[in-house]
Amino acid sequence: QQQVKQSPQSLIVQKGGISIINCAYENTAFDYFPWYQQFPGKGPALLIAIRPDVSEKKEGRFTISFNKSAKQFSLHIMDSQPGDSATYFCAAHYTGAGSYQLTFGKGTKLSVIP
Amino acid sequence: NAGVTQTPKFQVLKTGQSMTLQCAQDMNHNSMYWYRQDPGMGLRLIYYSASEGTTDKGEVPNGYNVSRLNKREFSLRLESAAPSQTSVYFCASSLENTGELFFGEGSRLTVL
Repeated sequence: QQQVKQSPQSLIVQKGGISIINCAYENTAFDYFPWYQQFPGKGPALLIAIRPDVSEKKEGRFTISFNKSAKQFSLHIMDSQPGDSATYFCAAHYTGAGSYQLTFGKGTKLSVIP
Repeated sequence: NAGVTQTPKFQVLKTGQSMTLQCAQDMNHNSMYWYRQDPGMGLRLIYYSASEGTTDKGEVPNGYNVSRLNKREFSLRLESAAPSQTSVYFCASSLENTGELFFGEGSRLTVL
């Protein structure tokens, strides 16, 4: 079974601080790495994603850093806000023919305190 | 534009009862999925349908059946519910095999 290992399980950050969530994967065939954000009582929603041909992708306060040789990627949330408090899931996917199983990490519960 | 709609949102069953979770999407997506979410376990794929007329097992298919009724609808059936199936179930869809999934708001199922 392919795995994506995510850490930490939970994270508490002061408002204005930087939140960092890390993920590691095993299968070098993965070619798409999305992050999903889930608020309590809601379904996950795609936040940001990266492909392995780039080392970094930034969208507003959210940045993915990708290290292909180490098979690791991370989500950085700059200037964290209480509204960012949610559970974050990293995932890895092979977009080739016949593969429909997105492999999720187990999630990180982020709490941003005022 | 409703996106992915799941019904019911909440359900309590007794062990051995059966039920069907309904899912419909209005985005003209080809692929649909059923996941379950349990504390500390993340999201685990139960079944998926790559396109209308096809279904395949995911990571945790035992105890479940699915039907892709048409392009819009994908249902999940529990024939004989067990307490281990207490979970939050999410339906999702995607245009193709992109990894960009659109999720419903979930169905919380409790089996007593």
